[in-house]
Amino acid sequence: GQNIDQPTEMTATEGAIVQINCTYQTSGFNGLFWYQQHAGEAPTFLSYNVLDGLEEKGRFSSFLSRSKGYSYLLLKELQMKDSASYLCAVNNGGFKTIFGAGTRLFVKA
Amino acid sequence: DTEVTQTPKHLVMGMTNKKSLKCEQHMGHRAMYWYKQKAKKPPELMFVYSYEKLSINESVPSRFSPECPNSSLLNLHLHALQPEDSALYLCASSQAEGQTNEKLFFGSGTQLSVL
Repeated sequence: GQNIDQPTEMTATEGAIVQINCTYQTSGFNGLFWYQQHAGEAPTFLSYNVLDGLEEKGRFSSFLSRSKGYSYLLLKELQMKDSASYLCAVNNGGFKTIFGAGTRLFVKA
Repeated sequence: DTEVTQTPKHLVMGMTNKKSLKCEQHMGHRAMYWYKQKAKKPPELMFVYSYEKLSINESVPSRFSPECPNSSLLNLHLHALQPEDSALYLCASSQAEGQTNEKLFFGSGTQLSVL
Protein backbone atom coordinates (compact mmCIF):
# COMPACT_ATOMS: atom_id res chain seq x y z
CA GLY A 1 0.00 0.00 0.00
CA GLN A 2 0.88 3.65 -0.15
CA ASN A 3 1.35 5.62 3.03
CA ILE A 4 2.84 9.01 3.82
CA ASP A 5 2.80 10.12 7.46
CA GLN A 6 3.36 13.57 8.88
CA PRO A 7 2.41 15.17 12.20
CA THR A 8 -0.97 16.88 12.01
CA GLU A 9 0.00 20.15 13.68
CA MET A 10 3.05 21.91 15.07
CA THR A 11 3.53 25.23 16.85
CA ALA A 12 6.75 27.23 16.94
CA THR A 13 7.90 30.71 17.88
CA GLU A 14 8.91 33.47 15.50
CA GLY A 15 12.67 33.42 14.92
CA ALA A 16 13.02 29.78 15.98
CA ILE A 17 13.83 26.63 14.00
CA VAL A 18 11.27 23.90 13.32
CA GLN A 19 11.66 20.43 11.82
CA ILE A 20 8.71 18.73 10.12
CA ASN A 21 9.14 14.98 9.69
CA CYS A 22 7.72 12.74 7.01
CA THR A 23 7.86 8.96 6.69
CA TYR A 24 6.71 7.15 3.59
CA GLN A 25 5.98 3.67 2.29
CA THR A 26 5.21 3.67 -1.41
CA SER A 27 5.30 1.08 -4.18
CA GLY A 28 7.70 3.26 -6.18
CA PHE A 29 10.02 6.14 -5.46
CA ASN A 30 11.18 8.76 -7.95
CA GLY A 31 11.80 11.58 -5.52
CA LEU A 32 10.26 13.42 -2.59
CA PHE A 33 8.79 16.91 -2.69
CA TRP A 34 7.76 19.43 -0.08
CA TYR A 35 5.00 21.92 -0.87
CA GLN A 36 3.68 24.83 1.17
CA GLN A 37 -0.05 25.54 1.19
CA HIS A 38 -1.58 28.61 2.83
CA ALA A 39 -5.24 28.28 3.78
CA GLY A 40 -7.48 28.56 0.74
CA GLU A 41 -4.54 28.82 -1.65
CA ALA A 42 -2.69 26.55 -4.06
CA PRO A 43 0.22 24.41 -2.91
CA THR A 44 3.57 25.88 -3.99
CA PHE A 45 6.81 23.97 -4.52
CA LEU A 46 9.48 24.25 -1.83
CA SER A 47 12.04 21.49 -2.36
CA TYR A 48 12.91 18.21 -4.07
CA ASN A 49 15.15 15.32 -2.91
CA VAL A 50 15.95 12.17 -4.85
CA LEU A 51 19.35 11.28 -3.37
CA ASP A 52 20.16 10.86 0.32
CA GLY A 53 21.29 13.96 2.09
CA LEU A 54 20.48 17.56 2.76
CA GLU A 55 19.33 20.14 0.20
CA GLU A 56 19.54 23.73 1.39
CA LYS A 57 17.62 26.61 -0.12
CA GLY A 58 17.73 29.81 1.88
CA ARG A 59 15.80 29.46 5.15
CA PHE A 60 14.44 26.08 4.08
CA SER A 61 16.34 22.77 3.99
CA SER A 62 15.11 19.28 3.21
CA PHE A 63 16.70 15.95 4.11
CA LEU A 64 16.13 12.48 2.69
CA SER A 65 17.06 8.97 3.80
CA ARG A 66 15.77 6.49 1.24
CA SER A 67 16.77 3.42 3.28
CA LYS A 68 14.67 4.67 6.19
CA GLY A 69 11.81 6.05 4.10
CA TYR A 70 12.26 9.33 5.94
CA SER A 71 12.47 13.00 5.13
CA TYR A 72 12.31 16.24 7.06
CA LEU A 73 11.79 19.88 6.20
CA LEU A 74 13.77 22.34 8.32
CA LEU A 75 12.59 25.93 8.54
CA LYS A 76 14.98 28.45 10.10
CA GLU A 77 14.41 32.01 11.34
CA LEU A 78 10.68 31.43 11.38
CA GLN A 79 8.44 34.27 10.27
CA MET A 80 4.72 34.76 10.84
CA LYS A 81 4.13 34.26 7.12
CA ASP A 82 5.48 30.70 7.44
CA SER A 83 2.21 29.73 9.15
CA ALA A 84 0.80 27.29 6.59
CA SER A 85 0.37 23.61 5.83
CA TYR A 86 3.44 21.73 4.65
CA LEU A 87 2.77 18.78 2.37
CA CYS A 88 5.21 15.92 1.91
CA ALA A 89 4.74 14.23 -1.47
CA VAL A 90 6.36 11.25 -3.21
CA ASN A 91 6.59 10.76 -6.95
CA ASN A 92 5.51 7.16 -7.32
CA GLY A 93 6.62 6.85 -10.94
CA GLY A 94 5.60 8.68 -14.05
CA PHE A 95 2.98 11.31 -13.39
CA LYS A 96 1.77 9.94 -10.04
CA THR A 97 2.58 12.14 -7.07
CA ILE A 98 1.11 11.00 -3.75
CA PHE A 99 0.62 13.56 -1.01
CA GLY A 100 0.67 13.28 2.75
CA ALA A 101 -2.14 14.90 4.72
CA GLY A 102 0.08 17.87 5.54
CA THR A 103 1.40 19.41 8.73
CA ARG A 104 -0.26 22.64 9.83
CA LEU A 105 2.41 24.93 11.26
CA PHE A 106 1.39 27.77 13.57
CA VAL A 107 4.04 30.44 14.16
CA LYS A 108 3.42 32.57 17.23
CA ALA A 109 5.00 35.87 18.21
CA ASP B 1 3.94 33.75 -16.75
CA THR B 2 4.23 31.04 -14.10
CA GLU B 3 0.55 30.87 -13.25
CA VAL B 4 -2.09 28.24 -13.50
CA THR B 5 -5.46 29.95 -13.65
CA GLN B 6 -8.65 28.24 -12.54
CA THR B 7 -12.23 29.43 -12.92
CA PRO B 8 -14.54 29.76 -11.18
CA LYS B 9 -13.04 30.19 -7.71
CA HIS B 10 -16.29 29.12 -6.06
CA LEU B 11 -19.18 27.04 -7.41
CA VAL B 12 -22.43 25.94 -5.83
CA MET B 13 -24.49 23.43 -7.78
CA GLY B 14 -27.44 21.14 -7.33
CA MET B 15 -27.30 17.41 -7.89
CA THR B 16 -29.09 17.70 -11.23
CA ASN B 17 -26.94 20.53 -12.62
CA LYS B 18 -24.24 20.35 -15.26
CA LYS B 19 -21.24 22.61 -14.77
CA SER B 20 -17.63 22.83 -15.91
CA LEU B 21 -14.39 23.79 -14.20
CA LYS B 22 -11.72 25.41 -16.33
CA CYS B 23 -7.94 25.54 -16.05
CA GLU B 24 -5.38 27.37 -18.18
CA GLN B 25 -1.59 27.62 -18.23
CA HIS B 26 0.81 29.35 -20.59
CA MET B 27 4.10 27.90 -19.38
CA GLY B 28 4.37 25.43 -22.26
CA HIS B 29 3.75 22.53 -19.90
CA ARG B 30 2.56 19.35 -21.59
CA ALA B 31 1.16 17.53 -18.56
CA MET B 32 -1.98 18.71 -16.78
CA TYR B 33 -3.67 17.26 -13.73
CA TRP B 34 -6.88 17.34 -11.74
CA TYR B 35 -6.66 16.79 -7.99
CA LYS B 36 -9.48 16.72 -5.43
CA GLN B 37 -8.81 17.96 -1.89
CA LYS B 38 -11.15 17.68 1.08
CA ALA B 39 -10.59 19.85 4.14
CA LYS B 40 -7.53 18.79 6.15
CA LYS B 41 -6.87 15.94 3.71
CA PRO B 42 -4.16 15.53 1.08
CA PRO B 43 -4.79 16.30 -2.58
CA GLU B 44 -5.93 13.11 -4.35
CA LEU B 45 -5.05 12.56 -7.99
CA MET B 46 -8.03 12.21 -10.32
CA PHE B 47 -6.78 12.57 -13.90
CA VAL B 48 -3.56 13.28 -15.81
CA TYR B 49 -3.27 14.44 -19.41
CA SER B 50 0.05 14.16 -21.17
CA TYR B 51 0.42 15.80 -24.57
CA GLU B 52 -3.36 16.25 -24.65
CA LYS B 53 -4.04 12.54 -24.20
CA LEU B 54 -5.58 11.05 -21.07
CA SER B 55 -2.72 9.26 -19.34
CA ILE B 56 -4.16 8.45 -15.93
CA ASN B 57 -7.72 8.02 -14.65
CA GLU B 58 -7.67 7.05 -10.98
CA SER B 59 -10.97 5.15 -11.17
CA VAL B 60 -12.92 8.38 -10.97
CA PRO B 61 -16.74 8.08 -11.26
CA SER B 62 -18.12 8.92 -14.69
CA ARG B 63 -20.01 11.92 -13.31
CA PHE B 64 -16.60 13.62 -13.62
CA SER B 65 -15.53 13.99 -17.25
CA PRO B 66 -12.18 15.58 -18.13
CA GLU B 67 -11.33 17.25 -21.39
CA CYS B 68 -8.09 18.70 -22.76
CA PRO B 69 -8.98 20.82 -25.83
CA ASN B 70 -5.36 21.93 -26.35
CA SER B 71 -2.04 21.98 -24.54
CA SER B 72 -2.94 25.08 -22.52
CA LEU B 73 -6.48 24.21 -21.43
CA LEU B 74 -8.00 21.59 -19.17
CA ASN B 75 -11.67 21.25 -18.31
CA LEU B 76 -13.56 19.12 -15.83
CA HIS B 77 -17.21 18.59 -16.71
CA LEU B 78 -19.50 17.84 -13.81
CA HIS B 79 -22.90 16.13 -13.99
CA ALA B 80 -25.20 14.56 -11.41
CA LEU B 81 -22.77 15.12 -8.56
CA GLN B 82 -23.36 14.00 -4.99
CA PRO B 83 -22.97 16.11 -1.83
CA GLU B 84 -19.86 14.07 -0.94
CA ASP B 85 -18.21 15.46 -4.08
CA SER B 86 -18.00 18.85 -2.37
CA ALA B 87 -14.29 19.68 -2.18
CA LEU B 88 -11.53 21.91 -3.48
CA TYR B 89 -10.65 20.93 -7.04
CA LEU B 90 -7.07 21.74 -7.93
CA CYS B 91 -5.59 21.89 -11.39
CA ALA B 92 -1.84 21.49 -11.83
CA SER B 93 0.67 21.35 -14.65
CA SER B 94 4.22 20.13 -15.15
CA GLN B 95 6.75 20.11 -17.96
CA ALA B 96 6.21 16.42 -18.81
CA GLU B 97 9.75 15.88 -20.01
CA GLY B 98 10.00 12.58 -18.19
CA GLN B 99 12.27 13.98 -15.52
CA THR B 100 11.85 12.62 -12.00
CA ASN B 101 12.06 16.07 -10.49
CA GLU B 102 9.01 17.41 -12.27
CA LYS B 103 7.45 19.78 -9.83
CA LEU B 104 3.77 20.58 -10.01
CA PHE B 105 2.47 24.10 -10.50
CA PHE B 106 -0.97 24.40 -8.95
CA GLY B 107 -3.86 26.73 -9.59
CA SER B 108 -5.67 28.27 -6.62
CA GLY B 109 -8.54 25.83 -7.02
CA THR B 110 -12.31 25.81 -7.35
CA GLN B 111 -14.19 25.37 -4.09
CA LEU B 112 -17.19 23.26 -5.07
CA SER B 113 -20.31 22.81 -2.98
CA VAL B 114 -22.95 20.30 -4.09
CA LEU B 115 -26.36 20.78 -2.51
